[in-house]
Amino acid sequence: DADVTQTPRNRITKTGKRIMLECSQTKGHDRMYWYRQDPGLGLRLIYYSFDVKDINKGEISDGYSVSRQAQAKFSLSLESAIPNQTALYFCATAGQDNQPQHFGDGTRLSIL
Amino acid sequence: RKEVEQDPGPFNVPEGATVAFNCTYSNSASQSFFWYRQDCRKEPKLLMSVYSSGNEDGRFTAQLNRASQYISLLIRDSKLSDSATYLCVVNDEDSSYKLIFGSGTRLLVRP
Repeated sequence: DADVTQTPRNRITKTGKRIMLECSQTKGHDRMYWYRQDPGLGLRLIYYSFDVKDINKGEISDGYSVSRQAQAKFSLSLESAIPNQTALYFCATAGQDNQPQHFGDGTRLSIL
Repeated sequence: RKEVEQDPGPFNVPEGATVAFNCTYSNSASQSFFWYRQDCRKEPKLLMSVYSSGNEDGRFTAQLNRASQYISLLIRDSKLSDSATYLCVVNDEDSSYKLIFGSGTRLLVRP
């Protein structure tokens, strides 16, 4: 079983819809992250969290919100999806500072 | 200036060749350095961490040059399965828990 699991793997939806992407992990890591990846661009950080009560904005948080329901779960929401949010979304975890991050399989999101 | 810069490539090499990628970073205070591998439409996977003394893992060698602020990845005896995009990753200047990802260098190994 994967250590970091994302659902759904693929999603096609319409402009204005609310969407939630889920991430769960079995690694026991405190740090969790949401990124998006667009062609030709590096991964860009949307939000990150160190604990259940800790939420921090990344470089491109506008239009997104997150919830850290438990140490193992971190969900990303698009309240009202727009076409330029079409991208590949990754969840990642890390155990400590200066440690590498471990990624889920990704969610391919298309907004029409 | 981008915080982490990589040549996007593609590097097109024959099987068995040796190929090297460089990556430059802007923050002299960075402490953590990694190379990740990403296959098309897949998640990034950690290839290796990069230590000050340099490190080797089989056919892969990573080097860090702090004075010039670049890291390198050398792949010897390239295999077809090495074809992928290689991401240079450096920790954020304001925090050790955030990573900055380069856009990647694409490698194509041909038969």
